[in-house]
Amino acid sequence: DAKTTQPPSMDCAEGRAANLPCNHSTISGNEYVYWYRQIHSQGPQYIIHGLKNNETNEMASLIITEDRKSSTLILPHATLRDTAVYYCIVREFYFGTGTSLTVIP
Amino acid sequence: GAGVSQSPSNKVTEKGKDVELRCDPISGHTALYWYRQSLGQGLEFLIYFQGNSAPDKSGLPSDRFSAERTGGSVSTLTIQRTQQEDSAVYLCASSFKLPSTDTQYFGPGTRLTVL
Repeated sequence: DAKTTQPPSMDCAEGRAANLPCNHSTISGNEYVYWYRQIHSQGPQYIIHGLKNNETNEMASLIITEDRKSSTLILPHATLRDTAVYYCIVREFYFGTGTSLTVIP
Repeated sequence: GAGVSQSPSNKVTEKGKDVELRCDPISGHTALYWYRQSLGQGLEFLIYFQGNSAPDKSGLPSDRFSAERTGGSVSTLTIQRTQQEDSAVYLCASSFKLPSTDTQYFGPGTRLTVL
C-alpha cells in the first residue's frame, strides 16, 4: 500500500515551473511528506520534505495543503536535467511508481 | 563525504546460482534499507534494519532472499537459487532515522542479470 497517488507522467516546457501533485489522503498526523527523484539508471535522490508547513530549498518548493491530504512539488524553472521520475512518499518503504516528468526544450 | 556504496555494480549469474550483494551505508546511519527495481517499475521494498532491532523482513518475496547487517554497518543481501525473475537493480539506502529527518540516501545499485 503506497499510500500516495501521483499522475504517471507529465510534461513541462524548459524554463517554466513544473508542478507535481501528490495525494496522500490517509496520511497520519506525524508522517512527513518526502519527495525524491530518480534520474535514469541512478539511485533515487532526496529533494525535500515537510510536515505541515510549506518548505523551500535550493532544489524545489513543497506546498502541503492545510488538511495535509495532498501536496505539490514545485520546480520553479525546469531544466532538461530535471527530466526524471519523481516519487512522493509518506511511509519510508513505499515509493510507488512516481511521476515521470519530461522537460521539453 | 562518502555516500552509500554498493558492490558489485553489475552481476551476471546463471539460473540456480547463489549471489551476494553488498551495501556499505553512510557512517553513523542507524537505518539501512534494501529495495529492488525491475525494468520500468517503481521501487519495491525488501528489508529494513534499524539499530539492533530485529529487521523488518516483510518485503522479502520468498525464502530464497535473506539479508544480514554485521556490526550495525555493512549489509549483505543473499539470493539463493536465483531465478530469471530476480533480474533487477537492487538498491540500498541508509538514514539517520530521526523523527524530524529520515532522509534516505541511496547507493548506485547493483544490476543483477540472471541468465
